[in-house]
Amino acid sequence: DSGVTQTPKHLITATGQRVTLRCSPRSGDLSVYWYQQSLDQGLQFLIQYYNGEERAKGNILERFSAQQFPDLHSELNLSSLELGDSALYFCASSIPTGGGSNEQFFGPGTRLTVL
Amino acid sequence: GQNIDQPTEMTATEGAIVQINCTYQTSGFNGLFWYQQHAGEAPTFLSYNVLDGLEEKGRFSSFLSRSKGYSYLLLKELQMKDSASYLCAVRVNTGFQKLVFGTGTRLLVSP
Repeated sequence: DSGVTQTPKHLITATGQRVTLRCSPRSGDLSVYWYQQSLDQGLQFLIQYYNGEERAKGNILERFSAQQFPDLHSELNLSSLELGDSALYFCASSIPTGGGSNEQFFGPGTRLTVL
Repeated sequence: GQNIDQPTEMTATEGAIVQINCTYQTSGFNGLFWYQQHAGEAPTFLSYNVLDGLEEKGRFSSFLSRSKGYSYLLLKELQMKDSASYLCAVRVNTGFQKLVFGTGTRLLVSP
């Protein structure tokens, strides 16, 4: 158990709909990262938040948005869903100090299926 | 751009040693990570290299050559539970730090 929690574990919805994925980082971690992992593809970095502020953006579609709240939990909002959005969505957290490995700890993921 | 290459699949026998290679071409290199991921589960951290050389951690070792853009993960005394995908990830610093992942190497350990 990494200490990172994600809900829901599974989500099945229809094209055109909107969903919200939730993530709670490890206690003490200020940074939250969101990744998408499609079948047979690597982890694609979507977005990072640090202490409530957006820090970095990766290959995130305009239909997707995220935020980090004062209690440091984060939500990823996916709208106008398409079949191709079906994937595993992982949240990870870390303590971004100046040195060291600062490895990211991953949550169990949310499996999104768009029908 | 950022490019990371790993073999797609490898097979090995229980008790054997296997080496999984990773080559990368990135700008702003700031460390290389190896993660293990069982099917449908979260990636878990295995190792980190930022300087050239070998880092050993139990049955797992990781090597880095920054000048060659090359790393490998060495798994000794293979066990059936080592069947998983192994992800090579490079941390790059291009104004901000992010992890760029390879597509992973699927390792199948047979009896």
